[in-house]
Amino acid sequence: DIQMTQSPSTLSASVGDRVTITCRASQSISSWLAWYRQKPGKAPNLLIYKASTLESGVPSRLSGSGSGTEFTLTINSLQPDDFANYYCQQYNSSPFTFGPGTTVDIK
Amino acid sequence: EVQLVESGGGLVQPGGSLRLSCAASGFTFSSYTMNWVRQAPGKGLEWVSSISATTSYIYYADSVKGRFTISRDNAKNSLYLQMNSLRAEDTALYYCARASIGDCFNYWGQGTLVTVSS
Repeated sequence: DIQMTQSPSTLSASVGDRVTITCRASQSISSWLAWYRQKPGKAPNLLIYKASTLESGVPSRLSGSGSGTEFTLTINSLQPDDFANYYCQQYNSSPFTFGPGTTVDIK
Repeated sequence: EVQLVESGGGLVQPGGSLRLSCAASGFTFSSYTMNWVRQAPGKGLEWVSSISATTSYIYYADSVKGRFTISRDNAKNSLYLQMNSLRAEDTALYYCARASIGDCFNYWGQGTLVTVSS
């Protein structure tokens, strides 16, 4: 099974900051990597798929990059709506594992 | 508008069974792979199971293999999860999710809570 890790586990930032979250896979997953945002009490929302393709309606200040085993999610000019939990997920092969999550909170 | 509405959750004793349902609307259900994803209280997301549009492939997480069965009824636009031999560690909010391009999930329901406790 492919294991996913994320760093950092918690990130404290201010509105307007640029933040980066890293996701690593235990083996190559090509570009079969998705990013989700989840707010407390709500279902997750797909942000990015195929490592770098923005889902419809997602603001362009979010971006994804990477391939193989290392991936990043970058949020430019952090907005109040961005304080949330973020998860990566590999869908190269079953089981379609999620990373443990990164909490972006207000500094 | 795509809608996914889960039901069937509740309190069950260890060793018991539950059947979750997900009613889909707003899209051609029979064309999409569907999934169950769960989230234990205060924890992260865990993919549980996937079923392709025509049931040609079905996958399970190791943690539920042999105990849970995913199924679908395309005529009723419905997805199901039969959960047997439930354990305390199965306690979670269970989400129904539609696959996007590949097996990532672009639409989610609001979840149904399963609590396994004596």
